[in-house]
Amino acid sequence: AQSVTQLDSHVSVSEGTPVLLRCNYSSSYSPSLFWYVQHPNKGLQLLLKYTSAATLVKGINGFEAEFKKSETSFHLTKPSAHMSDAAEYFCVFLGSARQLTFGSGTQLTVLP
Amino acid sequence: DGGITQSPKYLFRKEGQNVTLSCEQNLNHDAMYWYRQDPGQGLRLIYYSQIVNDFQKGDIAEGYSVSREKKESFPLTVTSAQKNPTAFYLCASSMQSGGNTEAFFGQGTRLTVV
Repeated sequence: AQSVTQLDSHVSVSEGTPVLLRCNYSSSYSPSLFWYVQHPNKGLQLLLKYTSAATLVKGINGFEAEFKKSETSFHLTKPSAHMSDAAEYFCVFLGSARQLTFGSGTQLTVLP
Repeated sequence: DGGITQSPKYLFRKEGQNVTLSCEQNLNHDAMYWYRQDPGQGLRLIYYSQIVNDFQKGDIAEGYSVSREKKESFPLTVTSAQKNPTAFYLCASSMQSGGNTEAFFGQGTRLTVV
């Protein structure tokens, strides 16, 4: 069975400091992994995706994520948080059965 | 432009009525999904379909029904049997072919039961 786990339900950072949102997956197959962001009362926006090409993936708004097969992780990072980054972030897994699996989400708060 | 469209964006329903949420995609994706999101919670899978004329229950299928008569369309009916239907509903589609993988999401439908 495939699964994805977001290790933190809430993360708070100060503006200008680094962001780390953690995601681990479980699968027998090489997955496709995505990070999506959802701002209040908005739909989901794709930040970045990993599809077995480069393990370090750069996305929009300065976000990036590194696929580490040995650690079964796909953590999302940003060097310097901005107030506009405050939102909910979802790690999403697309497995070989073409089934999308969502993590439970991480609420990011950015403090002034 | 290719994409996935949900309609309507906001929907109000009287208690005891069935209502159908529309989801259409022109991406030629085989797989489509319906999720429900409640305040402070993640997205929970209601139903998914990997191919036309076939669909499977997700984690919270009770009180919902779907059909997949066409590749482009995956409507969700919220029946009167659904005890707490007020929520944000999100439709998605995905395609995985060779080294190319993509997943798209609609903008969601917010259903309120009055």
